[in-house]
Amino acid sequence: KAGVTQTPRYLIKTRGQQVTLSCSPISGHRSVSWYQQTPGQGLQFLFEYFSETQRNKGNFPGRFSGRQFSNSRSEMNVSTLELGDSALYLCASSESGQIDQPQHFGDGTRLSIL
Amino acid sequence: GENVEQHPSTLSVQEGDSAVIKCTYSDSASNYFPWYKQELGKRPQLIIDIRSNVGEKKDQRIAVTLNKTAKHFSLHITETQPEDSAVYFCAASTRGAGSYQLTFGKGTKLSVIP
Repeated sequence: KAGVTQTPRYLIKTRGQQVTLSCSPISGHRSVSWYQQTPGQGLQFLFEYFSETQRNKGNFPGRFSGRQFSNSRSEMNVSTLELGDSALYLCASSESGQIDQPQHFGDGTRLSIL
Repeated sequence: GENVEQHPSTLSVQEGDSAVIKCTYSDSASNYFPWYKQELGKRPQLIIDIRSNVGEKKDQRIAVTLNKTAKHFSLHITETQPEDSAVYFCAASTRGAGSYQLTFGKGTKLSVIP
């Protein structure tokens, strides 16, 4: 089975721009979660999608948004980029997002803001 | 919300020795505790997990123990090898607004010295 695929792997943007990141989950997985990883804050939960619905959201500003398509692929969008948004953005998929289901991560998208 | 503390932040061991990483969590409702290994520039990889109805789980050189009363769990790596060098993250699965999410510790950088 193919793993979680994230595109692009690297992005360089400037302040004020917006960006869209993509995540394709493992085949058959319907839950997709997004995390931000930075050296200072570690891995922080952004949001989780299941059946095209956002079920859970972390403590991030409204500039961070996402969506999920009927094939379970997910995108996240960050608008009005700030320097502090520079991070590795990881998505993880699980079968249905239940409490004890393993989450499997993609390689991430490294976003750099100039 | 859930808070996961992880210690130590860095750990150096001689090849062949054992390594122990400890985590504590705050939410007594947490029921699932995965451990991830992240090598430099790579995705977090699930290496072992434990559910709340189990006190200990072992997989070859890796073992995890859970003490629900004290709210702590630990990762034990025996007979360490240079390829065990990586950053290890513990996590606890807790209920968010509409589903479950992983709350991560800040990570432990393990260096195995040949």
